[in-house]
Amino acid sequence: GDSVTQMEGPVTLSEEAFLTINCTYTATGYPSLFWYVQYPGEGLQLLLKATKADDKGSNKGFEATYRKETTSFHLEKGSVQVSDSAVYFCALSPRGGYQKVTFGIGTKLQVIP
Amino acid sequence: DSGVTQTPKHLITATGQRVTLRCSPRSGDLSVYWYQQSLDQGLQFLIQYYNGEERAKGNILERFSAQQFPDLHSELNLSSLELGDSALYFCASSPNTGGEETQYFGPGTRLLVL
Repeated sequence: GDSVTQMEGPVTLSEEAFLTINCTYTATGYPSLFWYVQYPGEGLQLLLKATKADDKGSNKGFEATYRKETTSFHLEKGSVQVSDSAVYFCALSPRGGYQKVTFGIGTKLQVIP
Repeated sequence: DSGVTQTPKHLITATGQRVTLRCSPRSGDLSVYWYQQSLDQGLQFLIQYYNGEERAKGNILERFSAQQFPDLHSELNLSSLELGDSALYFCASSPNTGGEETQYFGPGTRLLVL
C-alpha cells in the first residue's frame, strides 16, 4: 500500500537557520503530494502541494519539489522564524475518484530565538 | 479559520460508553473525512463520505461508525470505548473527491476515555 516516510523529530533550529525536512513516499502511479502544518492546539492546514512530477509547491517561504525519480518531496525554507514552530506532515493522495490521504508521522520543528 | 466546525471540543467519558462526534464541513464541500491522531499511531485516516455516501475506508474499527446527512454534516460514532481510543479526532472537508484537492481540517475533538 501507499506509505510516506519522513524524518522523526524533534528538529531544533536557531532563528534564521536553513530548514530541510525529508520526505519520501511509496505509491502506485502518480500521486499528489502535500505538506500540511499543525500549529499548537490547532488542526492541520495545507502549507503547499504539487500534483505532478517536477512541480514545485511554495508558500510562506517554504518550498518542496516533486521528484518522481527519487520519490521524494523534501520541505525547505531558507530562514526559519520562531513562528514556524509547529508539526509538519508530508502526505500523498492517489489519483482517481476518491481521496484516501496517507500522512507521514509528522516532524516537530522548534525554532529558538 | 478553516470553515470546518467540530463539536464538542473536549469529551471525557468512561470505558464501555458510546459517544458521538459532530462535524460541519465548509460551505459547499461535499466530502468529509475523519482522522484519528494519537501519540503512538500518528494521524490515521478513518473514513471518507462524499455527498452522503461512504467513499473510502481506512483503519476504522468495527466499533466505530460514521454517516453523512443530507445537509452534509457528518457524525462519527464511537462505541464500547476503550482506553486506547483516547485521541484527537479530526474532521476535514474538500469540495469534491479528487486526489489533488486540499483538505480543510477542523480544530478537532479531544476524547479522553477513563
